Amino acid sequence: DTAVSQTPKYLVTQMGNDKSIKCEQNLGHDTMYWYKQDSKKFLKIMFSYNNKELIINETVPNRFSPKSPDKAHLNLHINSLELGDSAVYFCASSQVGTGGEETQYFGPGTRLLVL
Amino acid sequence: SQKIEQNSEALNIQEGKTATLTCNYTNYSPAYLQWYRQDPGRGPVFLLLIRENEKEKRKERLKVTFDTTLKQSLFHITASQPADSATYLCAPRGNSNYQLIWGAGTKLIIKP
Repeated sequence: DTAVSQTPKYLVTQMGNDKSIKCEQNLGHDTMYWYKQDSKKFLKIMFSYNNKELIINETVPNRFSPKSPDKAHLNLHINSLELGDSAVYFCASSQVGTGGEETQYFGPGTRLLVL
Repeated sequence: SQKIEQNSEALNIQEGKTATLTCNYTNYSPAYLQWYRQDPGRGPVFLLLIRENEKEKRKERLKVTFDTTLKQSLFHITASQPADSATYLCAPRGNSNYQLIWGAGTKLIIKP
């Protein structure tokens, strides 16, 4: 059983196109995230949702728009793709424990290549 | 700003030896710190969490220490095996929104 799944796994597209990445988690977690991992391997948080509400919105171009139809799903839509958007995008989910700690569970990643 | 530093160069260790990875953080005091493993082409996987009031945490061949005075965590793998080869990420908790702050990771290579 896949805990956090993402589709597609690979995405190759032309500059200027619009694309979406989907994420689903079956862990019953309240919080979901989108991360971008660039070629230098830094994991940079983009967005975080808690129970369908946006709680973290880092400095990300407004071409990126997350949508959470329910707490098990968090999708990422990207408009007018640029070369610099090429990266691996990870979805993750977490639940805050009684001690205030959270452990994140990651999806397999979506490798986006913009040509 | 909050900053995490991990060895950017790959760490080469002979099989059977202990591998030690370092994570240094500056400009804040995390309530806890986590270590994750990332294999090529995969997402990070949680390994261990250590709280600020804990000096050491163990899980099988893994050991993590947390020195809040030095602002440093060490991650040890004893009796290392080639299967331990991966990138290891340090992630202390930030000061707000339970957000984790991620290091760039250290690539560990265990040679047979």
